Amino acid sequence: GQNIDQPTEMTATEGAIVQINCTYQTSGFNGLFWYQQHAGEAPTFLSYNVLDGLEEKGRFSSFLSRSKGYSYLLLKELQMKDSASYLCAVRPAGTALIFGKGTTLSVSS
Amino acid sequence: KAGVTQTPRYLIKTRGQQVTLSCSPISGHRSVSWYQQTPGQGLQFLFEYFSETQRNKGNFPGRFSGRQFSNSRSEMNVSTLELGDSALYLCASSFIQQGPTDTQYFGPGTRLTVL
Repeated sequence: GQNIDQPTEMTATEGAIVQINCTYQTSGFNGLFWYQQHAGEAPTFLSYNVLDGLEEKGRFSSFLSRSKGYSYLLLKELQMKDSASYLCAVRPAGTALIFGKGTTLSVSS
Repeated sequence: KAGVTQTPRYLIKTRGQQVTLSCSPISGHRSVSWYQQTPGQGLQFLFEYFSETQRNKGNFPGRFSGRQFSNSRSEMNVSTLELGDSALYLCASSFIQQGPTDTQYFGPGTRLTVL
């Protein structure tokens, strides 16, 4: 079966660094994706990982370990606008993305 | 390039009715996936269409169906609506939905309320 786990909620302060973890078990693997979703809006693509290691994209970085079924999204220099839900998604072989339930991040000043 | 569009944006129906939602993918994208999003369950995969064929299907009852047209536009239909069908229905398009780097882009969604 398919299972993707991530924490339900996290809080942090402006300027801080936060790491959102995601563990997965899927039949086949063809990439791991992170999306950001602000309340009332559609998810927007942040990053993807196919190979093990760290992918950096400005203030956001994503890490993948395929052998451990583990990924994290690292957000640096947090801003108030980063308050959103962060969705981890895996593409099992030959299918559409399967999403975790999302992590709601609240950034306070 | 225009993004994914969905119509209508909001819909109110009563139990027992049926509803049809529409999605126009990004130009050139041939894969369209549909998701249901609720606060308790998150984003759940409904089905995926590619070249007018349903390629994958999630774990939803037969009341949920869809189709794709030759121009890649897609519709999904829910018959005999239940209160639990109230949700945000999101459509996402990608080029072919096969390669690991083939990103899905989401539309704004249709907010369905069943009374």
